[in-house]
Amino acid sequence: DVKVTQSSRYLVKRTGEKVFLECVQDMDHENMFWYRQDPGLGLRLIYFSYDVKMKEKGDIPEGYSVSREKKERFSLILESASTNQTSMYLCASKTGTASYNEQFFGPGTRLTVL
Amino acid sequence: DQQVKQNSPSLSVQEGRISILNCDYTNSMFDYFLWYKKYPAEGPTFLISISSIKDKNEDGRFTVFLNKSAKHLSLHIVPSQPGDSAVYFCAAINSGYALNFGKGTSLLVTP
Repeated sequence: DVKVTQSSRYLVKRTGEKVFLECVQDMDHENMFWYRQDPGLGLRLIYFSYDVKMKEKGDIPEGYSVSREKKERFSLILESASTNQTSMYLCASKTGTASYNEQFFGPGTRLTVL
Repeated sequence: DQQVKQNSPSLSVQEGRISILNCDYTNSMFDYFLWYKKYPAEGPTFLISISSIKDKNEDGRFTVFLNKSAKHLSLHIVPSQPGDSAVYFCAAINSGYALNFGKGTSLLVTP
């Protein structure tokens, strides 16, 4: 079974802090994704990566950066956390580019920025 | 610009009856559509999908219907069970990497 794990289930940070969210997958997937989920807004794509050291902006990249130094690990960085980044953050991975290939999600990190 | 739309934020259905969740899309280039189910404090899990070249796909109690001319798809759950209570996300993809998600419909199945 594919397993996508996220470093924290719950995280509380202060405004202005630098925040790292880590995601690891164990199925050698090429593609990894970061989404945020907010009530009434659904899942919105922040960044994705289709290979090591490669990244692409999603729909809402502002205020975020990412790092993919190893195939299994994809990190989301909030350079200077703000209260409007309080959200549920979801990491996902997928093999190949075929549309029918399923994305597998991690359990999510509930981030609160005070 | 939301390309995948779920216009019903919530739906309540009695146990044993049919649940119908609807989804509309605007991009005619989407070639695959997927439904994900999400419980609180968990990540979404894949439920069922359909290729754009088909009009129906069935998996147990779950059936997805696609009407390409209307750019509309629906998920039918028969019979509905209390454990089906969750948020359902419709998603679509265009031969690429990233899914386009709708805003979700919260389904409540009451005993």
